[in-house]
Amino acid sequence: AQSVTQLDSQVPVFEEAPVELRCNYSSSVSVYLFWYVQYPNQGLQLLLKYLSGSTLVKGINGFEAEFNKSQTSFHLRKPSVHISDTAEYFCAVSDPGNTPLVFGKGTRLSVIA
Amino acid sequence: NAGVTQTPKFQVLKTGQSMTLQCAQDMNHNSMYWYRQDPGMGLRLIYYSASEGTTDKGEVPNGYNVSRLNKREFSLRLESAAPSQTSVYFCASSELTVSGNTIYFGEGSWLTVV
Repeated sequence: AQSVTQLDSQVPVFEEAPVELRCNYSSSVSVYLFWYVQYPNQGLQLLLKYLSGSTLVKGINGFEAEFNKSQTSFHLRKPSVHISDTAEYFCAVSDPGNTPLVFGKGTRLSVIA
Repeated sequence: NAGVTQTPKFQVLKTGQSMTLQCAQDMNHNSMYWYRQDPGMGLRLIYYSASEGTTDKGEVPNGYNVSRLNKREFSLRLESAAPSQTSVYFCASSELTVSGNTIYFGEGSWLTVV
């Protein structure tokens, strides 16, 4: 079964600084990878996804992630964060096809003015 | 666009009471899911339904039952609620297309069992 590890439970960062949220998944022949964002008291919104092709994936709100098969990682990055990026971020993995997502435990990003 | 709609949004139950969380999607998706979210645990899959008429257990199915009433609706039932079932519950749906598989989530249902 797939599993996901988000290495940091909380990440504080100053406004306009870069940020990287780390995600590693269990090894498999092929996987689909996702990042979701959850703002307080809301549901989950898809930031970006990797299914195949280019290993650098660009998403909404200026976020991007890089799929690294050898490292089994899918880290999320943003070059300059805003206060509005304060939220919880979830990495998720699934087997190819229409299969359920397995989520990491989440990383709480706090942007400090 | 309604997307995935869950009801109720908030509910307080006494231990031993039963209740059903309702979920409906208007995107004509085949697959539907119920997850629970607890602090520090991320989202964990309770049950899912790959298509109308089928249901399968996820990671944490104990204490729950589900019904895929039709293609649109997927309900989650707690027969005898326990304090350990205090959580936020998310329904979701998905479809595999040429652009891949994306899961869409409802806004969540906050359940407290006292």
